[in-house]
Amino acid sequence: DSGVTQTPKHLITATGQRVTLRCSPRSGDLSVYWYQQSLDQGLQFLIQYYNGEERAKGNILERFSAQQFPDLHSELNLSSLELGDSALYFCASSGGSGLSTDTQYFGPGTRLTVL
Amino acid sequence: AQKITQTQPGMFVQEKEAVTLDCTYDTSDQSYGLFWYKQPSSGEMIFLIYQGSYDEQNATEGRYSLNFQKARKSANLVISASQLGDSAMYFCAMREGRDSGAGSYQLTFGKGTKLSVIP
Repeated sequence: DSGVTQTPKHLITATGQRVTLRCSPRSGDLSVYWYQQSLDQGLQFLIQYYNGEERAKGNILERFSAQQFPDLHSELNLSSLELGDSALYFCASSGGSGLSTDTQYFGPGTRLTVL
Repeated sequence: AQKITQTQPGMFVQEKEAVTLDCTYDTSDQSYGLFWYKQPSSGEMIFLIYQGSYDEQNATEGRYSLNFQKARKSANLVISASQLGDSAMYFCAMREGRDSGAGSYQLTFGKGTKLSVIP
């Protein structure tokens, strides 16, 4: 158990809908990262938050947004869903020390299926 | 150019034998970190081992060791005494950037190697 929790584990929805994925980082970790894993694109970085503020953006679509709350949990919002958004979405957390030793620990993931 | 290259889509190893999973990387940064993660069929991503660009010794964690060859830009994972439970996807990842306390710490992943351990 990495200490990172994600809910829900599975999500099935229809095209055009909106969903929210939730992540709680390990105790004491300030950074939260979101990654998308799909068969065609592999594992891709979406966005990073550090202590409530957006730190970096990767290949995140404009239909997607995220935030980190004062208690450091994070939510990833996906809207106007398309079939191609079906993927495994991971949240990871780290201490955010800025050192290259800063290891990211991953949650169990949320498997999103868009029908 | 891909930043992380894993050239072995799939590999087989006999139980109790050692196996090496290849990873090459591309970066112009002097300070970077290399990571290996394991993804079993259940889907979770499990951190295995880390190697820093300035580390002079190869990293080891139990049965896992990282064969780091900086000049060749390779960071191969060696698993000794393979077990059936080692059957999984293995991902090599890199974190670039200076140890500055600022900036993005995102990981860039390779496409993975599927390891199958044969009894």
